[in-house]
Amino acid sequence: NAGVTQTPKFRILKIGQSMTLQCTQDMNHNYMYWYRQDPGMGLKLIYYSVGAGITDKGEVPNGYNVSRSTTEDFPLRLELAAPSQTSVYFCASSYSPTGRAGGELFFGEGSRLTVL
Amino acid sequence: DQQVKQNSPSLSVQEGRISILNCDYTNSMFDYFLWYKKYPAEGPTFLISISSIKDKNEDGRFTVFLNKSAKHLSLHIVPSQPGDSAVYFCAAIPLSGGYNKLIFGAGTRLAVHP
Repeated sequence: NAGVTQTPKFRILKIGQSMTLQCTQDMNHNYMYWYRQDPGMGLKLIYYSVGAGITDKGEVPNGYNVSRSTTEDFPLRLELAAPSQTSVYFCASSYSPTGRAGGELFFGEGSRLTVL
Repeated sequence: DQQVKQNSPSLSVQEGRISILNCDYTNSMFDYFLWYKKYPAEGPTFLISISSIKDKNEDGRFTVFLNKSAKHLSLHIVPSQPGDSAVYFCAAIPLSGGYNKLIFGAGTRLAVHP
């Protein structure tokens, strides 16, 4: 099983450019998430989805957009890249919306984005 | 305003000894706590969790202790092994939320040396 796969692993963008971080999971999970991790900080939730066609904002959604057309895919779009978006981005998925039912949160390997 | 704090950025422990990683939280509405482990160039992986109705949960070499009155939890690794060298994140979920309300600490980098 591939689990959660993110592409690209590394990317350098110029200010104002746009790009999409791809995320796909093969576990048939309804719940998917995008996090960012800045140096010395914990992971912060950008957007999440509870199923195909349903997305919602997390703690730090500004500057990002998402879509969820299929159960497997949850791409994250940066429209006008800014230096403040330099970070490591993690996609994750879960069978259960909470950890209490034993539903584990599975993470991808991360995408390191630098905006210059 | 960090609701989940890991005040030690790093910890160095000798192989075979106990590793104790600490985590403090400020929100009394948190009722479920998790520890994640992260190796370089990989995503975090779930390690162990504890509900607020318990004060201890054990899984092999890993034990998590919860002190609700002090709003403090700790992860004990006994005995520590070189393969345990990683960044450990503490995380918490409030009573009303799921993973969409998960709050992470900044992490503690554990180095286990021979």
